[in-house]
Amino acid sequence: DAMVIQNPRYQVTQFGKPVTLSCSQTLNHNVMYWYQQKSSQAPKLLFHYYDKDFNNEADTPDNFQSRRPNTSFCFLDIRSPGLGDAAMYLCATTADRGLDNEQFFGPGTRLTVL
Amino acid sequence: AQKITQTQPGMFVQEKEAVTLDCTYDTSDPSYGLFWYKQPSSGEMIFLIYQGSYDQQNATEGRYSLNFQKARKSANLVISASQLGDSAMYFCAMREGKDAGNMLTFGGGTRLMVKP
Repeated sequence: DAMVIQNPRYQVTQFGKPVTLSCSQTLNHNVMYWYQQKSSQAPKLLFHYYDKDFNNEADTPDNFQSRRPNTSFCFLDIRSPGLGDAAMYLCATTADRGLDNEQFFGPGTRLTVL
Repeated sequence: AQKITQTQPGMFVQEKEAVTLDCTYDTSDPSYGLFWYKQPSSGEMIFLIYQGSYDQQNATEGRYSLNFQKARKSANLVISASQLGDSAMYFCAMREGKDAGNMLTFGGGTRLMVKP
């Protein structure tokens, strides 16, 4: 089945140790998003790609970077994780700029920072 | 100002009964779309239903329907015949037509708990 895949599902890292989360999609969608979701809160958009065009949200910390080497893959790099970065990280995709195009979400990666 | 407001942090419903989850929104864009997502404890966000601002009829998808009141800027989700598996967080979200990035703005969510 076509889907959005995130690896790993659970990631434990140490304070200050860089970590990379990955997302892949078989939907061939143009747009990919990374969200951060803390407990009992709404997802917060960090950045998104429209094809190779990178769009950063104004309040996304510099500690968070992203790469999209091709249509299928997108990576979230956290250069120096702090305790406040512990959260669920959700990757999502959408086909194009149509108003009714739903976002398809991956299962998320739950990040723990020790 | 909040663009999407969900005023019910948590709700209980008896199994097999209907429940309404509230959502109000704020936009000056005449073209927008409203989405509801379900998020079980496992974490994945599951798309439920969509309503476009120009749609004349309320959206329905199986047991889910959207009570769209454009003048009041509300888009309440109605779940009929609740099941135990409906227990989850529910998020209302909006996409505005002016937004080239197709981004969603989410409300704070409502946790629904279905009682047997």
